[in-house]
Amino acid sequence: AQKITQTQPGMFVQEKEAVTLDCTYDTSDQSYGLFWYKQPSSGEMIFLIYQGSYDEQNATEGRYSLNFQKARKSANLVISASQLGDSAMYFCAMREPRDPSDLRSSASKIIFGSGTRLSIRP
Amino acid sequence: DGGITQSPKYLFRKEGQNVTLSCEQNLNHDAMYWYRQDPGQGLRLIYYSQIVNDFQKGDIAEGYSVSREKKESFPLTVTSAQKNPTAFYLCASRMTAGTYEQYFGPGTRLTVT
Repeated sequence: AQKITQTQPGMFVQEKEAVTLDCTYDTSDQSYGLFWYKQPSSGEMIFLIYQGSYDEQNATEGRYSLNFQKARKSANLVISASQLGDSAMYFCAMREPRDPSDLRSSASKIIFGSGTRLSIRP
Repeated sequence: DGGITQSPKYLFRKEGQNVTLSCEQNLNHDAMYWYRQDPGQGLRLIYYSQIVNDFQKGDIAEGYSVSREKKESFPLTVTSAQKNPTAFYLCASRMTAGTYEQYFGPGTRLTVT
């Protein structure tokens, strides 16, 4: 069974510093994808970044980058130059692979980790 | 603007009553999802639907029901059979071609007393 593990329940970081949020995953599939979502106190989930298992380069989106280490099954999120607005819950997630025998599997279910609460200090 | 709407943001019900949470999207997405989030935890999948008139159970479907009569709408009914209905409910949608990310609505916080 697939599993996502986030071992840091909470983190405090000084404003403008870089921060790394840890994520490890467990899967026996060769084709999969990893996401990071941000959840501010308002509750809405905001998509940040995606990494496919066959992507050779680490994904980057502005100040966000995903440090993908396939052999270690880790997909850490790196936020450069943190800002006060980065304070939120962060969830790592993994999409299930498509099942060729099930046409409906292209809906691609996602499983989520338990999250890390990031707090940025001014 | 395109997006996903969930209403209301806060909902209060008495125990034993069924309650329906609405989810509407104008993104022209094919797939829609319902998740439940309990305090301090991640999201758990309740139901999902790839096309109109078709839906599948997720990991915690017991006590919930859904319908998908229109592409834009995917309402979730929390029935009296759900033992612990108080939670934050999030709806999401996704295109089934191209990218894999799901886009979420603002959520509905349901409190049952």
